[in-house]
Amino acid sequence: EPEVTQTPSHQVTQMGQEVILRCVPISNHLYFYWYRQILGQKVEFLVSFYNNEISEKSEIFDDQFSVERPDGSNFTLKIRSTKLEDSAMYFCASSEVLGTSGADNEQFFGPGTRLTVL
Amino acid sequence: AQSVAQPEDQVNVAEGNPLTVKCTYSVSGNPYLFWYVQYPNRGLQFLLKYITGDNLVKGSYGFEAEFNKSQTSFHLKKPSALVSDSALYFCAVGRPGRRALTFGSGTRLQVQP
Repeated sequence: EPEVTQTPSHQVTQMGQEVILRCVPISNHLYFYWYRQILGQKVEFLVSFYNNEISEKSEIFDDQFSVERPDGSNFTLKIRSTKLEDSAMYFCASSEVLGTSGADNEQFFGPGTRLTVL
Repeated sequence: AQSVAQPEDQVNVAEGNPLTVKCTYSVSGNPYLFWYVQYPNRGLQFLLKYITGDNLVKGSYGFEAEFNKSQTSFHLKKPSALVSDSALYFCAVGRPGRRALTFGSGTRLQVQP
């Protein structure tokens, strides 16, 4: 069964450093997402991406964050200058584009990247 | 704004007994409702969804959920629990015109042999 994959599984970085989290969505999916889960808290939506542009973003997704689809298979999340509060599990997800009304297609999630900012 | 409440941090049930994991939601307009399960060191796995139509939806691994509009609930159920059902369960809500899902805080299901 096709799966979303994410690398690395764990990333440790120093405060102020840039990190890039990588994801390979399911191959025939065209909508991509990033969510995060701070330890002990809810899974929170960050951003959705379709047709090479951001389609929706949350208040969390400020200028420190960016997303990119650099080639036909990868989808990346960049945090420009990490803060302690960016420490979280980051989940990538993808979904099909069937239907036109929004979130009716289930999203398939990767296993996550645990980001630790020291 | 949309929100999801999962009032129980943990649910304990004996193997073979029915299980219920509760979820209530708040959203403007018609809700899209989802259940996901998370096993250790794995991503969120889709179980089932309600978009429209029949209030009782059936999903993977024998799970089902009932949409109740008047009570704004979407409880997850299974007639006979298995030890292998022990995991973290998340309810999520979306709505037409938006792709973002809002998740509940999760409920840990523990099925005892």
